[in-house]
Amino acid sequence: GDSVTQMEGPVTLSEEAFLTINCTYTATGYPSLFWYVQYPGEGLQLLLKATKADDKGSNKGFEATYRKETTSFHLEKGSVQVSDSAVYFCALSDYYGNNRLAFGKGNQVVVIP
Amino acid sequence: GAGVSQTPSNKVTEKGKYVELRCDPISGHTALYWYRQSLGQGPEFLIYFQGTGAADDSGLPNDRFFAVRPEGSVSTLKIQRTERGDSAVYLCASSSNGQETQYFGPGTRLLVL
Repeated sequence: GDSVTQMEGPVTLSEEAFLTINCTYTATGYPSLFWYVQYPGEGLQLLLKATKADDKGSNKGFEATYRKETTSFHLEKGSVQVSDSAVYFCALSDYYGNNRLAFGKGNQVVVIP
Repeated sequence: GAGVSQTPSNKVTEKGKYVELRCDPISGHTALYWYRQSLGQGPEFLIYFQGTGAADDSGLPNDRFFAVRPEGSVSTLKIQRTERGDSAVYLCASSSNGQETQYFGPGTRLLVL
């Protein structure tokens, strides 16, 4: 079935550093791809999405490009802030019409001042 | 407007007991999803409603789990004969008809002792 793989382990970095979180997927057809974020004590929020190959999703300084040739959707931000500390989930939307989401395991990002 | 709400926010029960978890979707959203998130994992799909009917219940782990949405709005996830392995955060999400973006509630944290 459809699945998403995120890089292992938490990510700890200093304020203003460059952030990359890797995400690859396996899917039948042409799924839509998402990044969701979970801030401490809050629910899952959509960060950005891309619905077709070569689309770039962007929001709050974060970007991710839908790469069909490498089946990837890596998340990047050029200069992180302490407020970006959260858990980030990559997900894909089922192709067969019900839009159920398949999530990766998530990556905790800790930004140190 | 109001987002997705879930009650209770926390539920502690004993092994073998019956529990009900409630989800109030965003008003007018016809699609409703239940997911389960175990510690350190991404959310896993349980069931999808389109209106009043369960269009896809393939993610329910066994027949102890059941969900209803009798009037096409509020949904209740029911777990019979709870087991310790059912301990997790149960998430509800809703979306507009035909839209891929799902809006998540804060979740119900279930602990089975």
